[in-house]
Amino acid sequence: DTEVTQTPKHLVMGMTNKKSLKCEQHMGHRAMYWYKQKAKKPPELMFVYSYEKLSINESVPSRFSPECPNSSLLNLHLHALQPEDSALYLCASSRSTLNQGNTEAFFGQGTRLTVV
Amino acid sequence: QQPVQSPQAVILREGEDAVINCSSSKALYSVHWYRQKHGEAPVFLMILLKGGEQKGHEKISASFNEKKQQSSLYLTASQLSYSGTYFCGTLSGTYKYIFGTGTRLKVLA
Repeated sequence: DTEVTQTPKHLVMGMTNKKSLKCEQHMGHRAMYWYKQKAKKPPELMFVYSYEKLSINESVPSRFSPECPNSSLLNLHLHALQPEDSALYLCASSRSTLNQGNTEAFFGQGTRLTVV
Repeated sequence: QQPVQSPQAVILREGEDAVINCSSSKALYSVHWYRQKHGEAPVFLMILLKGGEQKGHEKISASFNEKKQQSSLYLTASQLSYSGTYFCGTLSGTYKYIFGTGTRLKVLA
């Protein structure tokens, strides 16, 4: 199984809603990532978890709250988002952190989020 | 700090070749290449480590020039399936994995 599964695939939420994005992998990878991607732009790093601990927070607003309940799961909790937060949210995992340089990242299909 | 890719976009006919460059203002210790089709996730193509290169696919190869802080992706005899956006990826600090600006490639029949 070389898949990273993200749910839901599409999400429309109001600015006062609370929702969560989920990401799951069963490859035994110990590093997991959240990226945000706007149309025609490269993915932007948001968070990195290494061995279930938050290693990187790229100055992401607190309305985005990551959680890593175990080594296979990664959540992104959303609250009071703004319309400009609408984007494709990608989850990725790798065998070890990409810090080692000799490992690749596997990406999920993403959640397309629209904030209205 | 984001690696800059060139060209930004390229249109090819089937069978033509293309080169995509990735340049960094900081030292590169390894470079990954990904392809992303519209509406899909990025897919890993290959990795180049400091001091060498690795070939990930037939007809798609890459080079890594550490001194120039640059990597190039070579697509030969392009196929329709090569269409998509190509990103180089590299580390910018501990754990901080970032992508280049991207190159949109379209192959026409």
